[in-house]
Amino acid sequence: SQELEQSPQSLIVQEGKNLTINCTSSKTLYGLYWYKQKYGEGLIFLMMLQKGGEEKSHEKITAKLDEKKQQSSLHITASQPSHAGIYLCGSHGAAGNKLTFGGGTRVLVKP
Amino acid sequence: NAGVTQTPKFQVLKTGQSMTLQCAQDMNHEYMSWYRQDPGMGLRLIHYSVGAGITDQGEVPNGYNVSRSTTEDFPLRLLSAAPSQTSVYFCASRIQGSNSPLHFGNGTRLTVT
Repeated sequence: SQELEQSPQSLIVQEGKNLTINCTSSKTLYGLYWYKQKYGEGLIFLMMLQKGGEEKSHEKITAKLDEKKQQSSLHITASQPSHAGIYLCGSHGAAGNKLTFGGGTRVLVKP
Repeated sequence: NAGVTQTPKFQVLKTGQSMTLQCAQDMNHEYMSWYRQDPGMGLRLIHYSVGAGITDQGEVPNGYNVSRSTTEDFPLRLLSAAPSQTSVYFCASRIQGSNSPLHFGNGTRLTVT
């Protein structure tokens, strides 16, 4: 099955600073999803990347997909307390029916 | 829009008891799935379904049963609860046959003593 490794596992950033989360796959990526989870709540969809080299942005969050490296990154610019939470990457194999997730990155933004 | 609704939100069971976690969606999604979330282990797929009458196993299916009699509902049954099943359970759904994202419920926090 596809394995996704996220790094770092957790990070603390000062408000206003940038941060980057990486997600590396053990197999070919057929689509990469980023989700955010607030503590004690469900997952909220952020972005989906499908093609190598694809880059998407929403507000201050940018995600990129490097298909050759089987890796994706999530970058937050000028972080705010509202960016705190757990970020998870997910992907599915060729069949598309089993979406697996990385272990998550816990982000804390210090005011 | 209600989206994906999970009940109950919290549950405490004793070892050996049985229970059913309910999941319903009102988006007419063919695909539904159950995950469990444990500290440091992310989300792990338990079972999934691509339509009414069709179910399949995920990564960690042992100890859990599912059925899909309608498009809307996908209950998860624990026949004999064990402490190892203490976890947060999430139900999710999406349109089948596309790369559309999963829509998640708010989870059920289960403790087995």
